[in-house]
Amino acid sequence: DAKTTQPNSMESNEEEPVHLPCNHSTISGTDYIHWYRQLPSQGPEYVIHGLTSNVNNRMASLAIAEDRKSSTLILHRATLRDAAVYYCILRPSNSNSGYALNFGKGTSLLVTP
Amino acid sequence: DSGVTQTPKHLITATGQRVTLRCSPRSGDLSVYWYQQSLDQGLQFLIQYYNGEERAKGNILERFSAQQFPDLHSELNLSSLELGDSALYFCASSVGWEGAYEQYFGPGTRLTVT
Repeated sequence: DAKTTQPNSMESNEEEPVHLPCNHSTISGTDYIHWYRQLPSQGPEYVIHGLTSNVNNRMASLAIAEDRKSSTLILHRATLRDAAVYYCILRPSNSNSGYALNFGKGTSLLVTP
Repeated sequence: DSGVTQTPKHLITATGQRVTLRCSPRSGDLSVYWYQQSLDQGLQFLIQYYNGEERAKGNILERFSAQQFPDLHSELNLSSLELGDSALYFCASSVGWEGAYEQYFGPGTRLTVT
């Protein structure tokens, strides 16, 4: 599976935008880019995913580089509730071995008031 | 609330024992995944079922087994428990199994083996 690289930690002020980067230089043309987050003492939570085009939903935006070798998760106004570990995960659109999520270490986001 | 339910929330048992964890997927989801999260290993994929059939296996020990029933709920059976099996166990579900589908996670079962 193609790997992703994320910073270990990031810090943001409350009510400011947050840009969480992810590098995936070995991504294949059929890999979807997924983002999940895990708040303290909770299960992972789906955030957003995309293939080639930028995506927006009520939680966040996903900006995908033109060459697809990197992507950025954008939280438009961070709140204290956004403090979590954010995982960038590649998932193949076709696989004979299933489509489990391969969680790495993610980025631990700290939001300060 | 993701719509995925897991029972029990907490489980304390002794070494050598056997336990069963239960998961009910979101309505309409056919695929169920089991993950283990321990302090030193992070989130690890165990096994996946799709519409009653095993679809993929990850780092699942031979002492562990799972199944998905006709009503699509799933059970994870852990036997001959060891101290190192203490962890959070999460179930997730998705509509399909391809990469285009997102997974929704339950709140987890915290297993403590003493």
